Amino acid sequence: QVHLAESGGGVVQPGGSLRLSCAASGFHFSDYGMSWVRQAPGTGLDWVAFIRSDGSTTHYADSAKGRFTISRDNSKNSLYLQMNSLRVEDTAVYYCAKDPTPSHEARGPSSYYDSWGQGTLVSVSS
Amino acid sequence: QSVMTQPPSVSAAPGQKVTISCSGSGSNIGTNYVAWFQQLPGAAPKLLIYDNNKRPSGIPDRFSGSKSGTSATLGITGLQTGDEADYYCGTWDGSLTSYVFGTGTTVTVL
Repeated sequence: QVHLAESGGGVVQPGGSLRLSCAASGFHFSDYGMSWVRQAPGTGLDWVAFIRSDGSTTHYADSAKGRFTISRDNSKNSLYLQMNSLRVEDTAVYYCAKDPTPSHEARGPSSYYDSWGQGTLVSVSS
Repeated sequence: QSVMTQPPSVSAAPGQKVTISCSGSGSNIGTNYVAWFQQLPGAAPKLLIYDNNKRPSGIPDRFSGSKSGTSATLGITGLQTGDEADYYCGTWDGSLTSYVFGTGTTVTVL
């Protein structure tokens, strides 16, 4: 079955950088769009970024534009989130999430995610 | 801040029914399918309802979804203690070019 495992979280100072990874298994990773979603402590879900199956299209939340970069390596079944210029308000658990439909079959952006990882905690603090 | 609004909390006794509303706009709920996610304490979100009213395999029919105009509703019947969780609606917003979640609702079983 589908398994998504995030890693790379940790403690970083404001202005620092961190690279998150999401290892995927149990499905044909290169067929599916993937997203990052975060959740700050005690708050709700906050979508961060999306990447199409072949990496040709990306979308970012306004809070991530210019600072975060989503990428993928289909040969390694892996999704990444490069986070630069980190702020205290970026402190959150970061989840990777999978589109339900292969990108080449989808009519447009997905309206839901059918599988989620367990998350990795990023703490931005001085 | 979220562009889709949910009540902060709802509660009912075991066996009763609760409904959770999700109010959006024409650029999100009004033009796209709605999903609902359940997040149990300390766990990752889990897909509960997709395409407004469809249940993934393994989700009991006590959970139901509906959509009308720019609002959606999640219903839970036969409430159980195991249903205590946070629930979020979600969909794509064409104007923002981003996925949007509702503000979230905590369900408490009295």
